[in-house]
Amino acid sequence: KNEVEQSPQNLTAQEGEFITINCSYSVGISALHWLQQHPGGGIVSLFMLSSGKKKHGRLIATINIQEKHSSLHITASHPRDSAVYICAVRRNNAGNMLTFGGGTRLMVKP
Amino acid sequence: GAGVSQSPSNKVTEKGKDVELRCDPISGHTALYWYRQSLGQGLEFLIYFQGNSAPDKSGLPSDRFSAERTGGSVSTLTIQRTQQEDSAVYLCASSFLGAYEQYFGPGTRLTVT
Repeated sequence: KNEVEQSPQNLTAQEGEFITINCSYSVGISALHWLQQHPGGGIVSLFMLSSGKKKHGRLIATINIQEKHSSLHITASHPRDSAVYICAVRRNNAGNMLTFGGGTRLMVKP
Repeated sequence: GAGVSQSPSNKVTEKGKDVELRCDPISGHTALYWYRQSLGQGLEFLIYFQGNSAPDKSGLPSDRFSAERTGGSVSTLTIQRTQQEDSAVYLCASSFLGAYEQYFGPGTRLTVT
């Protein structure tokens, strides 16, 4: 079983919809990252969080340490949000490298 | 401002040849990471440099893979005697110290024929 699981693997939404992507992990972590990878491959870090909630524009990330679960929400989705969203964790006592989920491929249709 | 840069952007090589991939991290970032993304696969960690400490090589898949970081800045990932399964996008990231947000380069797409 992968240490970091994301759901759904694929998601299609209509423009304007509220979107939720989930990430569950099975190891102790010091931080969780949400990354965005656009077609063409470039990766952008969206959030790094270790507790609570962070908001940036239309994006919201939450984490529940006790439940080992994080969610990424996109409000008022737009076609330009179409990308692969990747959850990654920094495991306790494992240095600073990241362990990645398999990604969620999001397509937002106009 | 200048982000993480990688070169070449694409590399096609014949099986058995050696390749070198280069990463220029953001100036002032002390931590540098190499990751690999194989076709249809997720990202996997390869190696991590932090300042002058010994690198964490725990993710390197075989002894054909090695990396160095000169002067605490530029890093080179070397793959010797390339195999077809080495075909992937190799991504470099850097961060200020080790526990901060990582900034990714555009990657090098390696194809081994």
